[in-house]
Amino acid sequence: SQQGEEDPQALSIQEGENATMNCSYKTSINNLQWYRQNSGRGLVHLILIRSNEREKHSGRLRVTLDTSKKSSSLLITASRAADTASYFCAPNTGTASKLTFGTGTRLQVTL
Amino acid sequence: EAQVTQNPRYLITVTGKKLTVTCSQNMNHEYMSWYRQDPGLGLRQIYYSMNVEVTDKGDVPEGYKVSRKEKRNFPLILESPSPNQTSLYFCASSLSATGELFFGEGSRLTVL
Repeated sequence: SQQGEEDPQALSIQEGENATMNCSYKTSINNLQWYRQNSGRGLVHLILIRSNEREKHSGRLRVTLDTSKKSSSLLITASRAADTASYFCAPNTGTASKLTFGTGTRLQVTL
Repeated sequence: EAQVTQNPRYLITVTGKKLTVTCSQNMNHEYMSWYRQDPGLGLRQIYYSMNVEVTDKGDVPEGYKVSRKEKRNFPLILESPSPNQTSLYFCASSLSATGELFFGEGSRLTVL
C-alpha cells in the first residue's frame, strides 16, 4: 500500500505565523489528501488535490503537489491556537483501496 | 447529520473474550474501512470493503474479522483478543475508494 511520510514530525509556532508541512510518497497517485486529527479524535478531511493539479486553496490552507518529485506541502497561513493538531497526508493511487496514513506532523500553535 | 458512528467508544476487556466493534454510516457510502492507530506507527489499515459482501485485507488484518452484509454497517470482530490489539480504532467511509474519507470518533480498546 502507498503511504505518505510527513515531515517534520513536530512543529511549534506562534499564533499568527505560517505553518508548512511536507509529504513525500513513492508511487504514482490519483490524488493526495490531507487530514487533521485533534488529539484522540477522528480524522477530518481538509483538502484533496488531484494528480493533474499543482496548487489548491481552501480558506487559510494552501496545498501544492509536485508529482515529478512525489511530494506535497500543506501551508496554513495566519495560524491559530485552534489549528493545534496532527496533520496527515494520504496519497491515493486510485487503483487500490488502501488509503493509508503515516505518523503525521504534530503542530503546536502557542499564543 | 452525515456521520460515521462507532460503538463502543471505550472498552476494557480480557484476553480471549470475543468482542465486536460496530460501525454504521448514514451517507450511503460504498467504501468502508477500519484502521488502528498506535503511538509511533500512525494509522494502519486493518480491512476495507468496496461494497456489500466485498471485503479485503489491509496492512494488519491478523486477529480481526469483518463482514459487510448491509451497505451502512461494517462491524470489526475480534474473535480472541490479545493485549497487542490494545489500540485506538477508527472506522471510515467514503463514496468511493478515491474520495474523501469520513471518520468515526474512534473506539479505544484495552485488552488485559
